[in-house]
Amino acid sequence: AQSVTQLDSHVSVSEGTPVLLRCNYSSSYSPSLFWYVQHPNKGLQLLLKYTSAATLVKGINGFEAEFKKSETSFHLTKPSAHMSDAAEYFCVRMDSSYKLIFGSGTRLLVRP
Amino acid sequence: NAGVTQTPKFRVLKTGQSMTLLCAQDMNHEYMYWYRQDPGMGLRLIHYSVGEGTTAKGEVPDGYNVSRLKKQNFLLGLESAAPSQTSVYFCASSSGTATLGQFFGPGTRLTVL
Repeated sequence: AQSVTQLDSHVSVSEGTPVLLRCNYSSSYSPSLFWYVQHPNKGLQLLLKYTSAATLVKGINGFEAEFKKSETSFHLTKPSAHMSDAAEYFCVRMDSSYKLIFGSGTRLLVRP
Repeated sequence: NAGVTQTPKFRVLKTGQSMTLLCAQDMNHEYMYWYRQDPGMGLRLIHYSVGEGTTAKGEVPDGYNVSRLKKQNFLLGLESAAPSQTSVYFCASSSGTATLGQFFGPGTRLTVL
């Protein structure tokens, strides 16, 4: 079955340090992959998407992700964390019927 | 352009009561979806629709029904609410292509006592 695995349920970083949120997917073909962010008591906002174009994808708020087929990974990074980045992040894939399959989420904590 | 809206934002039900959640989108999207979000489990698809008058089951459809009588609206019904249906419910819509992803509503927090 197609799935998405987020390797860390919580990640804690200091403000100004790099962010790495890890995601692996299972698939026999190149999937469409997304990262969504959810701030407390808010809906989900699309950060970035990979749809088989460039493997390095840039998103909003300085985030980017690299699609690595050999590692079946789509990790989310940001060079310098900001307090406003504290939120829950979901790695998501789209299946052949355009339905989304969500990872379990990673909660990012940013320390002052 | 309001995007995706959900009504109500909060609701408390007693076990056995029924209710309907309304989702509306003004982007002329063909596809609409209902998800539930529970702690540590991400979002799980309940039902979805690929066009007006069509619905299909998702990953966790039991205890829910849906209707898509108008293209812009997607209703989620609970006929006899159970405590296990306490959750946050999100509606989403999409144009049906991978390039834009899905647009999500703000969510409805439902508590069943």
